[in-house]
Amino acid sequence: QKEVEQDPGPLSVPEGAIVSLNCTYSNSAFQYFMWYRQYSRKGPELLMYTYSSGNKEDGRFTAQVDKSSKYISLFIRDSQPSDSATYLCAAYSGGYQKVTFGIGTKLQVIP
Amino acid sequence: GAVVSQHPSRVICKSGTSVKIECRSLDFQATTMFWYRQFPKQSLMLMATSNEGSKATYEQGVEKDKFLINHASLTLSTLTVTSAHPEDSSFYICSAKSGEGGYTFGSGTRLTVV
Repeated sequence: QKEVEQDPGPLSVPEGAIVSLNCTYSNSAFQYFMWYRQYSRKGPELLMYTYSSGNKEDGRFTAQVDKSSKYISLFIRDSQPSDSATYLCAAYSGGYQKVTFGIGTKLQVIP
Repeated sequence: GAVVSQHPSRVICKSGTSVKIECRSLDFQATTMFWYRQFPKQSLMLMATSNEGSKATYEQGVEKDKFLINHASLTLSTLTVTSAHPEDSSFYICSAKSGEGGYTFGSGTRLTVV
């Protein structure tokens, strides 16, 4: 079992839709959770960074962490074609510990 | 926010030659940097952890003599792929952490060995 599981998709949605991206993890030591957006042939761009359980909102993006169920979510409101990319969830236990990534979900927002 | 600059963005080299990739933290000091490798449709795989002033720590299965890492200053880490072969063709990305917060990635280097 991978430490961080993520459905690779692809996920296609119409412009303006609410997108829900999810990951599960198995390592109870994970305390910090991140979502990255990666365009083709580019490095990952940090979108959201959260500590422990709870919600965090930044513009059209909302990250949720439920440590009791080991579930990580990213919601994108009013999705735009420019949101089309691969979204990677990631987690680590703290400090400079190794970051574990999901495989990434490819999202396509259709105009 | 924190910025990590990575160069070159793309390199093509002949089999048997060596290639150096640079990773710089532009507005913060990074005592630790990380080097990843990413194959198409696969996630990021950590290759090694680069520590300023000391030897890098390599992940299991990564040849340290082939992937030489040097972290000579608090803002610069380099990855040298020695005696490159076509199977080394991949997307290499560095990452660093600026204080509290998530890890910032460089823009990546696409290496093609012909």
